[in-house]
Amino acid sequence: AQTVTQSQPEMSVQEAETVTLSCTYDTSESDYYLFWYKQPPSRQMILVIRQEAYKQQNATENRFSVNFQKAAKSFSLKISDSQLGDAAMYFCAYRSSMIKAAGNKLTFGGGTRVLVKP
Amino acid sequence: GAVVSQHPSWVICKSGTSVKIECRSLDFQATTMFWYRQFPKQSLMLMATSNEGSKATYEQGVEKDKFLINHASLTLSTLTVTSAHPEDSSFYICSARDQRTGSPEAFFGQGTRLTVV
Repeated sequence: AQTVTQSQPEMSVQEAETVTLSCTYDTSESDYYLFWYKQPPSRQMILVIRQEAYKQQNATENRFSVNFQKAAKSFSLKISDSQLGDAAMYFCAYRSSMIKAAGNKLTFGGGTRVLVKP
Repeated sequence: GAVVSQHPSWVICKSGTSVKIECRSLDFQATTMFWYRQFPKQSLMLMATSNEGSKATYEQGVEKDKFLINHASLTLSTLTVTSAHPEDSSFYICSARDQRTGSPEAFFGQGTRLTVV
């Protein structure tokens, strides 16, 4: 079974600075998807960024970028120019690319709480 | 992105009663939906996979007789917590993918905070 590990329960960053969140995963599959989701105090889960395992290029979405190291099974998220609205729980998630119901489910890491200091 | 609507946002019920939570995909069809439970300051724990027109697939340790899931149409899945007890108090979240487009990401409902008194 796949597992996802986020080793940082909480990270603090100064506004306008950069913070990097760590995520490692374990899988025997070669093709899969990785995601970072944000959960603000409203608790609505919001997709931040996704990465396809077959793509070597790291995904980027505005101030959010990832460092995907497939061999090391590492998928870190970098938040640049941090803003107060970035304060939230961030969850790393894994999904198999296999086309079947069980393969569609997401496996989440334990989460990292990001605090942004003004 | 696709929209998933979950209702109600919060509910308070008495011990021993049942409560139903609805999860709707508003602008897409979802043959599969997922139900999660989240305790305070913890991650999402998958409870079950809801399959349209067939029985749900429950994760190990989840009581299927207590958490009844029905997926009667391509846009609606329901989770019924039967004979609720205070320990069932939690935050429940559903998600779905727009399988028509083949998009890999899941979209989440707003969640339902259940309090059993």
